[in-house]
Amino acid sequence: NAGVTQTPKFRILKIGQSMTLQCTQDMNHNYMYWYRQDPGMGLKLIYYSVGAGITDKGEVPNGYNVSRSTTEDFPLRLELAAPSQTSVYFCASSSGGGYGYTFGSGTRLTVV
Amino acid sequence: AQSVTQPDIHITVSEGASLELRCNYSYGATPYLFWYVQSPGQGLQLLLKYFSGDTLVQGIKGFEAEFKRSQSSFNLRKPSVHWSDAAEYFCAVGGNKLVFGAGTILRVKS
Repeated sequence: NAGVTQTPKFRILKIGQSMTLQCTQDMNHNYMYWYRQDPGMGLKLIYYSVGAGITDKGEVPNGYNVSRSTTEDFPLRLELAAPSQTSVYFCASSSGGGYGYTFGSGTRLTVV
Repeated sequence: AQSVTQPDIHITVSEGASLELRCNYSYGATPYLFWYVQSPGQGLQLLLKYFSGDTLVQGIKGFEAEFKRSQSSFNLRKPSVHWSDAAEYFCAVGGNKLVFGAGTILRVKS
């Protein structure tokens, strides 16, 4: 069982470039999430989805977009990269409620 | 608003010593509570969770946590720390969306 798979693991972007962070889960979870992790700040929720076709903003959505066309996939799009988006990005999935999340291994993004 | 406070940014303990990591939360109802561990360069792994019943919950790797409603706390404990426990630990609260604390970095000295 692969769980939650994120690609790429590392990426360096120039200011103004765009990219998509990929996330796929094979557990048939309805809930999927994108968090960013910055040193000393914990994890902040960017966007989440409660099922295919349904997405909503989290705490820090500015500069990002998501889509959820299938249960398995939840890509995160950065349209115009800025240095403030330098971070580690985690995708997670859940069957909901008290079951907790399964996390991917993360994408380390640097914007220069 | 939901929030989680982990008062200790860093903790250093000797191998074999006991450990307690603190977590306080603010939530509108009885929450689901979680502890996750993150080794360097890795994703987060679930250690244990609480959502009802016995207030002392057991997790993986010999960890346990106690839910104290009156203190809004969910502290993580381990009786004897091993060098492999060195990592960052996150407390989280919520239901379908989790709010995470800022994390506590555990260092283990031999």
